Amino acid sequence: EPEVTQTPSHQVTQMGQEVILRCVPISNHLYFYWYRQILGQKVEFLVSFYNNEISEKSEIFDDQFSVERPDGSNFTLKIRSTKLEDSAMYFCASSEAGGTFHEQFFGPGTRLTVL
Amino acid sequence: RKEVEQDPGPFNVPEGATVAFNCTYSNSASQSFFWYRQDCRKEPKLLMSVYSSGNEDGRFTAQLNRASQYISLLIRDSKLSDSATYLCVAMRAGGSQGNLIFGKGTKLSVKP
Repeated sequence: EPEVTQTPSHQVTQMGQEVILRCVPISNHLYFYWYRQILGQKVEFLVSFYNNEISEKSEIFDDQFSVERPDGSNFTLKIRSTKLEDSAMYFCASSEAGGTFHEQFFGPGTRLTVL
Repeated sequence: RKEVEQDPGPFNVPEGATVAFNCTYSNSASQSFFWYRQDCRKEPKLLMSVYSSGNEDGRFTAQLNRASQYISLLIRDSKLSDSATYLCVAMRAGGSQGNLIFGKGTKLSVKP
């Protein structure tokens, strides 16, 4: 069964450093998403991406964040200068299409720890 | 007011029990609703979509009441493997990409 994959599974970084989280969405999917979940908190939407551009983003997704689809398979989330409060689980998701009835499949997540 | 609110739980039940989860949402324009399941330190996985007519999948039944902005999930004959956190999810109204709004979740522990 096709699945979304994410690397690394755990990333530890120093405050102020740049990190890149990588995702490989399901191959025939066209819509990609990043969500984050701070420990003990709810899952929060960050950004959606379609046709090589950002479709929507939340208030969390400020200038420190960027997304890119550098090739036909990878989808990345970059945090330019990490803060302590960026420590969270970051989930990538993909769906065949956007809108109401298309299930979003989540990857296993990358746990980011900022020291 | 939080967009999606759930019972905080946790629910601790014996095997075979019937468990009900409740959820309310604040944005009356929200279009679609789902229940996701999340195991400890794992990704959310879709359990079922929720329709106004109600829908059933084996031991699981979901209901939506748009007038009261209320969503429910019923699990009958609970199994040990049902132990997880159950997330009530709404799809943001007006969003073209189907961005999901999650509740904080209700933890369920099914004991032998």
